[in-house]
Amino acid sequence: EPEVTQTPSHQVTQMGQEVILRCVPISNHLYFYWYRQILGQKVEFLVSFYNNEISEKSEIFDDQFSVERPDGSNFTLKIRSTKLEDSAMYFCASSVDGRYGYTFGSGTRLTVV
Amino acid sequence: GESVGLHLPTLSVQEGDNSIINCAYSNSASDYFIWYKQESGKGPQFIIDIRSNMDKRQGQRVTVLLNKTVKHLSLQIAATQPGDSAVYFCAVKSNDYKLSFGAGTTVTVRA
Repeated sequence: EPEVTQTPSHQVTQMGQEVILRCVPISNHLYFYWYRQILGQKVEFLVSFYNNEISEKSEIFDDQFSVERPDGSNFTLKIRSTKLEDSAMYFCASSVDGRYGYTFGSGTRLTVV
Repeated sequence: GESVGLHLPTLSVQEGDNSIINCAYSNSASDYFIWYKQESGKGPQFIIDIRSNMDKRQGQRVTVLLNKTVKHLSLQIAATQPGDSAVYFCAVKSNDYKLSFGAGTTVTVRA
């Protein structure tokens, strides 16, 4: 069964450092997403991406965040200058048409120290 | 926007019994609903989904019921097993392209 893969599974970084979280969506999917989940809280939407541009972003997704699809397979989330409160699980998801069939990756646990 | 809430944060169930997890949503324009299971340290795992043109859908040991009149969604797990212990989330899509998640119900199966 097709999967969304995320790397790394765990990233520890110092406050103020830049991190890049990587995702490989399912190959025939056209819509890509990043969500995050702070420990013990609900999964929150960050950003959606379609046709090589951001289609929607939440209030969380401020100027410190950016997304990119550098080639035909990868989808990345960059946090420019990490803060302690960025510590969370970050999930990538993809959907073939943006309407149905969302598949999530296993997540990257980001720990900012 | 969409607000999604779960009725109970925890549910303890005897092995072999049926489990029911409930979810309420706010936006009457919501058209797609998904139940996910999340085990510790893992991503949301798809269980079952339902579109707004249906009120019931069944899978293997799971049934999702949708009541659009009261904006309520439920997940029923038949003959609950120890492997069903996890956090269960409902997710709702409105007239945009993102999902709104509920807070999660932690299901614990007693042997």
